[in-house]
Amino acid sequence: KQEVTQIPAALSVPEGENLVLNCSFTDSAIYNLQWFRQDPGKGLTSLLLIQSSQREQTSGRLNASLDKSSGRSTLYIAASQPGDSATYLCAALGNNDMRFGAGTRLTVKP
Amino acid sequence: GAVVSQHPSWVICKSGTSVKIECRSLDFQATTMFWYRQFPKQSLMLMATSNEGSKATYEQGVEKDKFLINHASLTLSTLTVTSAHPEDSSFYICSARVSGQGANEQFFGPGTRLTVL
Repeated sequence: KQEVTQIPAALSVPEGENLVLNCSFTDSAIYNLQWFRQDPGKGLTSLLLIQSSQREQTSGRLNASLDKSSGRSTLYIAASQPGDSATYLCAALGNNDMRFGAGTRLTVKP
Repeated sequence: GAVVSQHPSWVICKSGTSVKIECRSLDFQATTMFWYRQFPKQSLMLMATSNEGSKATYEQGVEKDKFLINHASLTLSTLTVTSAHPEDSSFYICSARVSGQGANEQFFGPGTRLTVL
C-alpha cells in the first residue's frame, strides 16, 4: 500500500522567505503527484499536478518537482506571503486510489 | 477542470440518527468515486472506493455496515452514516476519478462537515 510522508509537519517563516516542502512516497508506480492547499475548515485547492512523465510544474511563485525513481517531490514557494499560510498536502495517484501525506502546516509571519 | 459537488456542505444531527451525503460529478462521468474522512488537524484518510454498479471496497478499519455507500449512476455516489455517534463527527470529502485516454486524475468535492451531538 502506498505510503506518503511529508516533512516538516509544521513550518513558520518570516514573510519574504523562500521555502521548500518535502514529500516522499513508497511506491513509484504512480500516475501523478499532486499538491494541494487546505485552509482551516475548508476543502482542498489543487495547486500543481505533475504527471509521472514530467519532472516539474510551475505556477506563479510555486514550483513542484518530481523524482519518481527516488520517490520524492518538493514544493518550492518563492517570496512567501502571509496569505500563503495554510496546510499543504501532497498526494500520489496510483492505479487504485490517491493517498495523502499528513501535510505541512505553514505559517508566514508578517 | 472537472467539477465535483457535495451536498450538504454541513450537517448537524442527533446521536443515533442517519445522515446521507451526496457526491455528484457535474460535467463528467466517473466510473470510480472515493470517500475520504478528515479529523481535525489530520490528513485525509481513504474510507472506501466505489465503482458504479458494484459494491464498494472499504479500507481496513472502516465499518461497511455503518458507512453505506451507493454508486448507482456514473455521476452520483452517496455515503450514509448510519446510527451516527459523536465520534463520527468529521469532515467527509468525496472524489471522482477520470481515467483513460492517457489521463488519470481525481477531482475533489468541497467536503461535508458532520457534527453529531
